[in-house]
Amino acid sequence: QKEVEQNSGPLSVPEGAIASLNCTYSDRGSQSFFWYRQYSGKSPELIMFIYSNGDKEDGRFTAQLNKASQYVSLLIRDSQPSDSATYLCAVNMNRDDKIIFGKGTRLHILP
Amino acid sequence: DTEVTQTPKHLVMGMTNKKSLKCEQHMGHRAMYWYKQKAKKPPELMFVYSYEKLSINESVPSRFSPECPNSSLLNLHLHALQPEDSALYLCASSRGQGDYEQYFGPGTRLTVT
Repeated sequence: QKEVEQNSGPLSVPEGAIASLNCTYSDRGSQSFFWYRQYSGKSPELIMFIYSNGDKEDGRFTAQLNKASQYVSLLIRDSQPSDSATYLCAVNMNRDDKIIFGKGTRLHILP
Repeated sequence: DTEVTQTPKHLVMGMTNKKSLKCEQHMGHRAMYWYKQKAKKPPELMFVYSYEKLSINESVPSRFSPECPNSSLLNLHLHALQPEDSALYLCASSRGQGDYEQYFGPGTRLTVT
């Protein structure tokens, strides 16, 4: 069973701190990794994607990929209340047009 | 421009009705998707169209019928739905052919009565 796993949370982080969201995946051959943010009642929004081992930074967001450990993470620096949302990890496993979503982690930034 | 549009935003239909959901993108993307999302669950893939051809059907009941009239448009025809089909229906698109970044539309909130 090919899976993407995330801690469902909620993860509570004080405003201004670093929020760290984690995701593991089962298929060692996976090549493409995505982070989506979803506010309650809204659609998922693609915020980061990463294809190579290491870190990728975009503003306050950093995606980290470790293929050997089958682990991808999202760091949010200087967390803001507006970052409170559900974060979905998604992985392309079969090199077709399908991505597998994790169940999402609910993040709550405490003012 | 990474915009995917969907109409209507909200839809209430009876179990005997026939209705359609529409999705449009003008990004030149060649893959388009329908997802169903229930509250507090991740999106659940229903169909994938690649280059206007149905490439993936995730064993969706026949009361859901997708259609891709051209590379920019995707429809989902609904007939004889059940109350448990009430959900947020999301359309997404990607460039396809090895580029899997999917961009979602705002969704249609469907209620079946």
